[in-house]
Amino acid sequence: QKEVEQNSGPLSVPEGAIASLNCTYSDRGSQSFFWYRQYSGKSPELIMSIYSNGDKEDGRFTAQLNKASQYVSLLIRDSQPSDSATYLCAPEGGGYQKVTFGTGTKLQVIP
Amino acid sequence: KAGVTQTPRYLIKTRGQQVTLSCSPISGHRSVSWYQQTPGQGLQFLFEYFSETQRNKGNFPGRFSGRQFSNSRSEMNVSTLELGDSALYLCASSTGTSGSIGELFFGEGSRLTVL
Repeated sequence: QKEVEQNSGPLSVPEGAIASLNCTYSDRGSQSFFWYRQYSGKSPELIMSIYSNGDKEDGRFTAQLNKASQYVSLLIRDSQPSDSATYLCAPEGGGYQKVTFGTGTKLQVIP
Repeated sequence: KAGVTQTPRYLIKTRGQQVTLSCSPISGHRSVSWYQQTPGQGLQFLFEYFSETQRNKGNFPGRFSGRQFSNSRSEMNVSTLELGDSALYLCASSTGTSGSIGELFFGEGSRLTVL
């Protein structure tokens, strides 16, 4: 079983719609999660961090963490073509625990 | 604040050679981790260093090694290169603590092509 699973997509949404990206994880000890965005040909950049159960909002982005169900999601409201990228989910590496990324979900926002 | 700097950005090697990649973290960051990214395997963790100590290593052969210096700069080395080592090698730095790695800030990567 993979430690972090994401639907590879592509996920296509029309401009202005809500994009919903999901990630499940197997390590119940994972406490915090990060979402990274990677544009084609570029390196990943951190866009959201979530450290506790519930929702965290930052502009058009909302991260949701449900530890009981072992999933974390990222909602992008009012999706823009500039949001088209691959989104990577990763639990926080903890000291002697390695960092594991999901395979990433490719999002395409159609104008 | 300067970001993470990786050198060289591009390099071409032949099978059997070795390569050394360098990473200068963001000032004040004590954790440096390395990743291999290929289209087929995604982003794979290589190893992480914190205060010059390797804390963890991913599932890569011993040909992949690294080190961290007292100024937090890090190098990784790949010996006896194989065609399958062709990839984008990413370095990321973070503030890190004794118990966590924290938010990662990535460099632009070193793209290695093995012929």
